Amino acid sequence: GAVVSQHPSRVICKSGTSVKIECRSLDFQATTMFWYRQFPKQSLMLMATSNEGSKATYEQGVEKDKFLINHASLTLSTLTVTSAHPEDSSFYICSAVNTGFDYGYTFGSGTRLTVV
Amino acid sequence: QKEVEQDPGPLSVPEGAIVSLNCTYSNSAFQYFMWYRQYSRKGPELLMYTYSSGNKEDGRFTAQVDKSSKYISLFIRDSQPSDSATYLCAMRHSGNTPLVFGKGTRLSVIA
Repeated sequence: GAVVSQHPSRVICKSGTSVKIECRSLDFQATTMFWYRQFPKQSLMLMATSNEGSKATYEQGVEKDKFLINHASLTLSTLTVTSAHPEDSSFYICSAVNTGFDYGYTFGSGTRLTVV
Repeated sequence: QKEVEQDPGPLSVPEGAIVSLNCTYSNSAFQYFMWYRQYSRKGPELLMYTYSSGNKEDGRFTAQVDKSSKYISLFIRDSQPSDSATYLCAMRHSGNTPLVFGKGTRLSVIA
């Protein structure tokens, strides 16, 4: 089945530093990827939509200069949290659209970011 | 009113019980309806996917969609302790549009 590999699974970084999260579709081409953030005991909140070869579309309230998204190929999308602050600590999850199938999207396993 | 409403629970049932989970939604333009299972600190795993109103069965799981009432359900038969997780309903419009999630229901199946 469709698999999305997300790395790292867990990262701890210092305030002010940047962290890059990668999502790769392993056996299909993902023209569109969605990035979500999930706080404890909360649902997934959409942060942005990335389409291969074009600029990401950010949801209202999400700082595009802070959360840099790059979708340079059909199999790789990255989210970089720049100048991280403790309030950025959260669970980040990507979701890829498999154009070969019209069902629910495939999710990565998530990245738990802790900013200290 | 939120687009998708889901009772967060928690819901605790004995092993072997039938579990009923449900969501309501307000946007009649939603066309695709999914149920995901999420274990703690993991990404959501697709359980069921439906497009039209009606029932869909897969093993111990049955998904129901009633578009006229804007109501979807997931039934789990013969529940097992391994079913203990958070269950998220999700739905979307046509095309490559993002999923809109319910808040998730935390389920515990007690042996």
